Order: sequence, then C-alpha cells, then structure tokens
Amino acid sequence: AQTVTQSQPEMSVQEAETVTLSCTYDTSESDYYLFWYKQPPSRQMILVIRQEAYKQQNATENRFSVNFQKAAKSFSLKISDSQLGDAAMYFCAYRSVIRHDFNKFYFGSGTKLNVKP
Amino acid sequence: ETGVTQTPRHLVMGMTNKKSLKCEQHLGHNAMYWYKQSAKKPLELMFVYSLEERVENNSVPSRFSPECPNSSHLFLHLHTLQPEDSALYLCASSQEPGTHEQFFGPGTRLTVL
Repeated sequence: AQTVTQSQPEMSVQEAETVTLSCTYDTSESDYYLFWYKQPPSRQMILVIRQEAYKQQNATENRFSVNFQKAAKSFSLKISDSQLGDAAMYFCAYRSVIRHDFNKFYFGSGTKLNVKP
Repeated sequence: ETGVTQTPRHLVMGMTNKKSLKCEQHLGHNAMYWYKQSAKKPLELMFVYSLEERVENNSVPSRFSPECPNSSHLFLHLHTLQPEDSALYLCASSQEPGTHEQFFGPGTRLTVL
C-alpha cells in the first residue's frame, strides 16, 4: 500500500508571512492524484488544492501553491500571506488511478499549523 | 442542507450499547466512505461504497457494520465497542469518475466508556 508522510507534526507562522508544509509519499505508480486538505478546529475537512501527477505544472489556488517533485515523490504546500483563518490541521493525501485501487485515498498524519497575529 | 451531513455530532456509549451513525450527502455523488480519525494518526479508511455496493473493507472489526441503502445515505452500526474505538468518525463522498476529490462531513465524535 502507498504511504504518505508528513514529517512536521506542528508548525507556526507569523500572520502575513509564508510557510511551507512538507509531504512525501511512496508509490510505484506513474499516474496518481495528490491533495492537500484543511481541517479547521471543530470544522469540516475541505480540499485546498489538487495535483494530477501527469501534469508538470504546479497547481495554484490563490494564496496556496504546491511544489510537486515527482522524481523525489515530494508534494509540499506553500501558503503565502498567511491569515489567521489558515490555522488548521493540514493533511496530504494520495489517490491511485489503478482500477482496483481507485477508491482508496491514503492520508498523512497531518500538520497542525498555528498562525500568530 | 448542503454538502455532507453527519448525525449525531457527539456520541457517548457504553461497551454493551448498540448505536448507529448516519451520513447523508446532498451532492449527487455515487461513492461514500467511512473513515476513522484518531489523534496523531493518518485517517484510516474503513469502508467504501460505490454505486451502493461495498467495494472496500479494510479489515475492520465486525463490531462495525456499514449499510448503504441508497447513494445518498450511509450508516455505520456500532455494537460491543471497545474504548480504543473512541475517535472522530468521518463520512465522505465523491463522484466517480469525476474530479477525484472527496467531500467530507463534520464527523461524529465517539467516546466509548
């Protein structure tokens, strides 16, 4: 089974500054999907950004961008101009495109992001 | 109601009780999932239903029993649970094939005494 590793259990960033959350994964597949999800305290998990492995261009959604390094199996999330509302648990996730594994999502253990005013 | 809803939001039960968790999705999706979220651990996929048929069961103990009567509703029936089953139980849905992302409910915080 694929594994997803988030090596930073907790991070802090000053409001308006930039922070990068790390994620690495292990797979033998050549095509797959990667996601970053955000789970605010006591609130629903929501999708932040998605990356298709066959696309070389890094995905960007407003202040959120990824650095996708396929050969290194690395998928980091950069948050620019951090806001208080960015404080949450962030989960990195992997999804296979192989037919028998298609419904499986593999999640990392999460990184808790604190934003200091 | 929009998105994915879950009831109850909090549940405390004894080890001999029988209870059920309910999930409803209002997104027209055709796949639904149960996850267990424990502190400092990756989300654990428990069950997957696609087109109302169970397609995945990650060796979950039989004290957890899922039911998917239609594409909008998903239940998790609980009986004779153990204290280590205390966790946040998340429901999610997705459209297959589609954008490949999952939409999550707010979860049920379960405490087993």
